[in-house]
Amino acid sequence: GAVVSQHPSRVICKSGTSVKIECRSLDFQATTMFWYRQFPKQSLMLMATSNEGSKATYEQGVEKDKFLINHASLTLSTLTVTSAHPEDSSFYICSASRDPQETQYFGPGTRLLVL
Amino acid sequence: AQSVTQLDSQVPVFEEAPVELRCNYSSSVSVYLFWYVQYPNQGLQLLLKYLSGSTLVKGINGFEAEFNKSQTSFHLRKPSVHISDTAEYFCALNTGFQKLVFGTGTRLLVSP
Repeated sequence: GAVVSQHPSRVICKSGTSVKIECRSLDFQATTMFWYRQFPKQSLMLMATSNEGSKATYEQGVEKDKFLINHASLTLSTLTVTSAHPEDSSFYICSASRDPQETQYFGPGTRLLVL
Repeated sequence: AQSVTQLDSQVPVFEEAPVELRCNYSSSVSVYLFWYVQYPNQGLQLLLKYLSGSTLVKGINGFEAEFNKSQTSFHLRKPSVHISDTAEYFCALNTGFQKLVFGTGTRLLVSP
């Protein structure tokens, strides 16, 4: 149990367009979801924490208007990269947990390439 | 601020040999420590975690880790590795209420 999926797994887009990434908990209800970004050969960096039905909490230095996060249901959170630029190219990973004391379960990641 | 250091970016080892993946952390407060594994094209999977109690923690797939507060380390070990253990391994610490800080990862390469 505790499977998290992400869609798409890979996306290529033109500079200036917006891209939406979905994160789903397939077999459990996730009260909290997390979005991470990973650059090549670097750590996973937490971007934001989202709780179902409330606004996401962004980490320092993450642009809220650039990375829109929606956690509309207990099984789905979306990350929208607005007006994407080449520097937004990265690997984006989500995770989900059932309650605040629970382990985080990670999705397989989405590789974004902005041309 | 808290941080996690994984000194080895890559560790090559032969099958059935023992392995140790090193992890050191920095924190001014008590920490929870985790090891995650990432197989190609898959999500991160929890191997083991240290929350409190015994400093020797056993996890899945025959892995174990020892929390050493004086050396601020949480090294991951396995006495005999398999080809299937080839993956990326991440050490992470919890800064409070599930915020995870990750190390840069260590790629374990097991060859026949």
